[in-house]
This record gives sequence, structure tokens and C-alpha cells, in this order.
Amino acid sequence: AQTVTQSQPEMSVQEAETVTLSCTYDTSESDYYLFWYKQPPSRQMILVIRQEAYKQQNATENRFSVNFQKAAKSFSLKISDSQLGDAAMYFCASFGNEKLTFGTGTRLTIIP
Amino acid sequence: GAVVSQHPSRVICKSGTSVKIECRSLDFQATTMFWYRQFPKQSLMLMATSNEGSKATYEQGVEKDKFLINHASLTLSTLTVTSAHPEDSSFYICSARSQPGGAGVGTEAFFGQGTRLTVV
Repeated sequence: AQTVTQSQPEMSVQEAETVTLSCTYDTSESDYYLFWYKQPPSRQMILVIRQEAYKQQNATENRFSVNFQKAAKSFSLKISDSQLGDAAMYFCASFGNEKLTFGTGTRLTIIP
Repeated sequence: GAVVSQHPSRVICKSGTSVKIECRSLDFQATTMFWYRQFPKQSLMLMATSNEGSKATYEQGVEKDKFLINHASLTLSTLTVTSAHPEDSSFYICSARSQPGGAGVGTEAFFGQGTRLTVV
């Protein structure tokens, strides 16, 4: 079984600043993947970044990076130079045993 | 990335009727499709997983006779909500992935646009 926990229901950040969204997970799988998805008001799920658990190096995609702490089962998302278009719900997810399990989400507001 | 098309985007139906939602992978073969339900301001809850040509696997608490899932081809899965009631009103999202090692997808799942179902 997998569980994903996001302890921050809402976060806000000033435009151009940096924000970190927290996520912890638990899984019995030895081979798994972690994702951050963005859901804007359109409700289309958009993949932001992915991390293979067997890789020690933290994934980076332009302004988005993760801090993957495998022993602590922590997978936080850092957004640098926040932009108005980053405003959305962000879901952390764990994939293992053929299932994608989502956290409860963090609503990110960007303050102009 | 790969494209998943979900149709319709919105549907209103009368209580007691059935409604079908389609999920198509447009540029890859989806060996596995997932159906999720999302309540307002909540997370995505997995309802069932379907593999092409076999019966869907339903999550605990999901009524398989009410939510009929068919994955008849590698590009199409359908979710039929039978005898719909107002409590079935929700946002339904499908996602699809190809087999591991498939072109450009691997373990990543691509999502449809979602369907907002309103039962009146």
C-alpha cells in the first residue's frame, strides 16, 4: 500500500520569489517513482516533474526542482522565480505496484 | 508528451439514466487506463484500473456494477455510470500509460481533460 501526505493545504508566494511545497510518502515497494502534478483551474493534470526512486540525483526541470530524501521518505518541490501562471493545485504522487496514489494537494497562490 | 482525449467534458443527465464517458489515447497504445473521481477541492481517488482485453480491477468501496469500465482496445476505455443519482455528480478523470519501455511514456501516466458529471 502507498500513502502520500501533503501537510500544506495552501501556500502563497510573492511573484519572482521561491516557494517549497512539502510531501512525504510511504510505500512498501522497492521500485517506485514520484511525481509532482499541477492542476490549474481548467482541471487538466499537468506533469511538473518526476523522480525515479533509484536515482540519488534530484530531478530538475527549469524553475522546478525537487529535494528527494529517500531515507526520510520526503519529496519536496521547489519553485524558483514564481510566476503568475504557477498558480494552481499541486499534487504529489507516488507510483508503485501499477498504481498512482495522490496526496491531498496544496493550493498555491502567487501574489503579484 | 502523449495525448489523452476524454469526452464529453461536461454532461448533465437525469437521475436514473446512464451516461458513458470515453477516454482515448491519440498517439500511443494504452495498455493500462486508470479512472479517477475528484470531489470539489479534494484529491484524485482511484476508482479502477483497466488493462486492454481484461476485466477492470476496482478499488475497495467502488461499485463495479454501477461504474462499468470497458477497455476493448489499446486506444479506448469507457466508463459508464449506470442508474446515475445526484450523489454520483463529480469530476471524473482518466489517465493512460503504455507498457513499460513504450515510446516516451514508461511509468508516466497521461491525463484526459476530465468530465464534469451533473445528475439532476
